[in-house]
Amino acid sequence: GEDVEQSLFLSVREGDSSVINCTYTDSSSTYLYWYKQEPGAGLQLLTYIFSNMDMKQDQRLTVLLNKKDKHLSLRIADTQTGDSAIYFCAVRSGGSYIPTFGRGTSLIVHP
Amino acid sequence: DTAVSQTPKYLVTQMGNDKSIKCEQNLGHDTMYWYKQDSKKFLKIMFSYNNKELIINETVPNRFSPKSPDKAHLNLHINSLELGDSAVYFCASSLDSGQNEQFFGPGTRLTVL
Repeated sequence: GEDVEQSLFLSVREGDSSVINCTYTDSSSTYLYWYKQEPGAGLQLLTYIFSNMDMKQDQRLTVLLNKKDKHLSLRIADTQTGDSAIYFCAVRSGGSYIPTFGRGTSLIVHP
Repeated sequence: DTAVSQTPKYLVTQMGNDKSIKCEQNLGHDTMYWYKQDSKKFLKIMFSYNNKELIINETVPNRFSPKSPDKAHLNLHINSLELGDSAVYFCASSLDSGQNEQFFGPGTRLTVL
């Protein structure tokens, strides 16, 4: 089955850019998502990208997809303390109802 | 205007007990899910229902039984609770079982003593 990997922690200074990386194994993955989980809350979809795209930008968020290397990244520009949360990468193939989630990257933003 | 709600938010109980977690969505979605998030934040699908019919049933002990009285509700009943059941349980819903976004509830933190 699909395997999705993320680094567990990322620490950045307020105002810097954050880049959260994700790798996956199933080359037929069609839909790729980034979710944010704030403390004590459920997951909230931040953005997503289809496999026929290389990049998607949405305000401070930029998603890059390298299909050859099966690598997905989320860049947050001008990171703020309110961006501190756990960020989950999730990947889904066209034939599956359910995405496979990574273990999440804890983003810590310090002044 | 809550989208996906779960009750209770916290549940502390003894081993061997039976407990239920309730989930309701007011989004008019057809598909609902239960996920388990362990202490290492690993999120794993347990069940998925589409229009009250079970469509996904991952490798979950049969002590866990989902019940969907209508398509707005998906409850999770757990018999004979074990220490390893301690986790955060998330309910989610989506428009249908296709590629649509999943909306998550706030989670229920279950602690088995």
